[in-house]
Amino acid sequence: QVTVRESGPAVVKPTQTLTLTCDFSGFSPTASGTCLTWIRQPPGKALEWLARIDWDDDTYYNTSLKTRLTISRGPPRNQVALILVNVEPADTGTYYCARMRGYYRIDYWGQGILVSVSS
Amino acid sequence: QSVLTQPPSVSAAPGQTVTISCSGIFSNIGNNAVCWYQQLPGTAPKLLIYDNHIRPSGIHERFSASKTGSSATLAISGLQTGDEADYYCGCWDGDLKIYLFGAGTKLTVL
Repeated sequence: QVTVRESGPAVVKPTQTLTLTCDFSGFSPTASGTCLTWIRQPPGKALEWLARIDWDDDTYYNTSLKTRLTISRGPPRNQVALILVNVEPADTGTYYCARMRGYYRIDYWGQGILVSVSS
Repeated sequence: QSVLTQPPSVSAAPGQTVTISCSGIFSNIGNNAVCWYQQLPGTAPKLLIYDNHIRPSGIHERFSASKTGSSATLAISGLQTGDEADYYCGCWDGDLKIYLFGAGTKLTVL
């Protein structure tokens, strides 16, 4: 059974660094074609893809955010982190971690974690 | 602004069929597989369709999809009030090397 779960702070101050952790189970992150990805959703707005780390450690980033984002693999083996530096109020939203298969289909999503950027 | 274009909203009566379009270009929809996601109010998105037209296990056959060129379409037949949700198309863009979501379409079952 595949499970994905996000954790991290609920509130972050502007200019600080946001670090989110994704713990997953039920699949191997190094199986060919398997990726972990982060998506966010501002309140009342659309989904926005953020980053992806592949089974072979290749990484890809949202073009407009790539200077502020880092996605990395644990240890532990079943953990992935997302780091967003210099946060601002526009970064407020629900952040989802998810499994991506075949480099394109996001088939298992975490429940999401709501992060507010506020002083 | 999303690169994949969806109508902001669609509506239809229970039992009817509704379609949602998703328009892109060759580097995304035209050359890569399209997925559709359903997001019920207050919940995480769920994969509804992958590989342009394939339903994952557990997704009802009332949900179907197709792709022609650089456009994709999701169809929902036999509408139920429980289908009220936001629907997103998604696709990898091979030129930009990023994943794209449409802006989402809100389905209202009248």
